[in-house]
Amino acid sequence: SYELTQPSSVSVSPGQTARLTCSGDVLAKKYARWFQQKPGQAPILVIFKDSERPSGIPERFSGSSSGTTVTLTISGAQVEDEADYYCYSAADNNLLFGGGTRLTVL
Amino acid sequence: EVQLVESGGGLIQPGASLRLSCAASGFPFSTYSMNWVRQAPGKGLEWLSYISGNGSTTYYADSVKGRFTISRDNAKNSLSLLMNSLRDEDTAVYYCASLGDYYDSSGDYYYVAYWGQGTLVTVSS
Repeated sequence: SYELTQPSSVSVSPGQTARLTCSGDVLAKKYARWFQQKPGQAPILVIFKDSERPSGIPERFSGSSSGTTVTLTISGAQVEDEADYYCYSAADNNLLFGGGTRLTVL
Repeated sequence: EVQLVESGGGLIQPGASLRLSCAASGFPFSTYSMNWVRQAPGKGLEWLSYISGNGSTTYYADSVKGRFTISRDNAKNSLSLLMNSLRDEDTAVYYCASLGDYYDSSGDYYYVAYWGQGTLVTVSS
């Protein structure tokens, strides 16, 4: 069965660039999406179709894809970007979430 | 305004059954597929089940296949999840969510990602 693998944590200082990766065989043939989740809140979509940004999401959020790895880049991370980030894709008759990356900005 | 409001959570004993509901408004409910996703305390998101817009197609994660049943009533803009034989490890916040790729009447692509605020299910004796 397919899996999506994310590092458990990433830490950056405010203003630095955060790069969060997600790896899995399914990503070679299916689009990835990224969700941001803050404590006690529902997830929010920040990237879809590997690199598209929904309206209302700051330009500092961008996505890229290469083979079986997708990357969420937060250029000039802000304190308010501190959250859990989940990659997500579809495979066969299942939807897959990565295990999530806790981004710390301090 | 899009709204998804889950209900039906609570404290339930192991082995018991529970039905969750999700009331949808603000979008063409019958057009969009729906999902249930859960999050155990301190853990990540876990997709559970999918149902197509007309209800004819359903999928389940292996962890709940045979125990959980997803259904929808498009006349009432409502989604349900019937959970049987509940286990301690089913304790989680349960979200209903519409997640999917679509094309509008002009052929332009768009992505839908609507989430409810979740309902907590606690399985414990």
